Amino acid sequence: EVELVESGGGLVQPGGSLRLSCAASGFTFSDYAMSWVRQAPGKGLEWVSAITTSGGRTYYADSVRGRFTVSRDNSMNTLFLQMNSLGAGDTAVYYCAKRSCSGSSCYSFFDYWGQGALVTVSS
Amino acid sequence: DIQMTQSPSSVSASVGDRVTITCQANQDISGWLAWYQQKPGKAPKLLIYAASSLQSGVPSRFSGSGSGTDFTLTISSLQPEDVATYYCQQANSIPYSFGQGTKLEIK
Repeated sequence: EVELVESGGGLVQPGGSLRLSCAASGFTFSDYAMSWVRQAPGKGLEWVSAITTSGGRTYYADSVRGRFTVSRDNSMNTLFLQMNSLGAGDTAVYYCAKRSCSGSSCYSFFDYWGQGALVTVSS
Repeated sequence: DIQMTQSPSSVSASVGDRVTITCQANQDISGWLAWYQQKPGKAPKLLIYAASSLQSGVPSRFSGSGSGTDFTLTISSLQPEDVATYYCQQANSIPYSFGQGTKLEIK
């Protein structure tokens, strides 16, 4: 069974840093691109970042580019999101999400999501 | 960047009703569209991908249609467990983007 478990969320002061982790199991992690998606309290979904299978290419939303860094450790089946220079606008539940593949074709839809990690930026 | 606009923002319907939610992209995304269901306090769940393909395990009362810029999610016979917020998402190009959501309630 596919499982994604985020950790590392919490309360951080404005300007601070936090590192989220997403532990994957139940599938061959190294075969799938992964993304981070966030949801501010009471708001909609916002795609944040994506990383290719090897980690060789990374992509970011304009709102986080230059402050957030996505990475992965395929030997540990773990996805990471390093978040620096955090502001109130970054307060959200952060989900890791697995890219959907069918046979040999992959699509940038997300077929499995973690339970989310709450990040609160406040003094 | 591609903007996704859903309508309505909220809808109230009776059990057994047919419910339709629409999603419009501000540029052609071919069939690169997904629909998600999110219940309070839970992660989103993939319902429909590639505009009209039903994700495994999703009840057949859910269906999707459309291509280009205009898409529709239809629930053929509303059930109480369908109370949720529904989001569309374009997968045509980065940055991937979601609609603002449609909150579905039971009358």
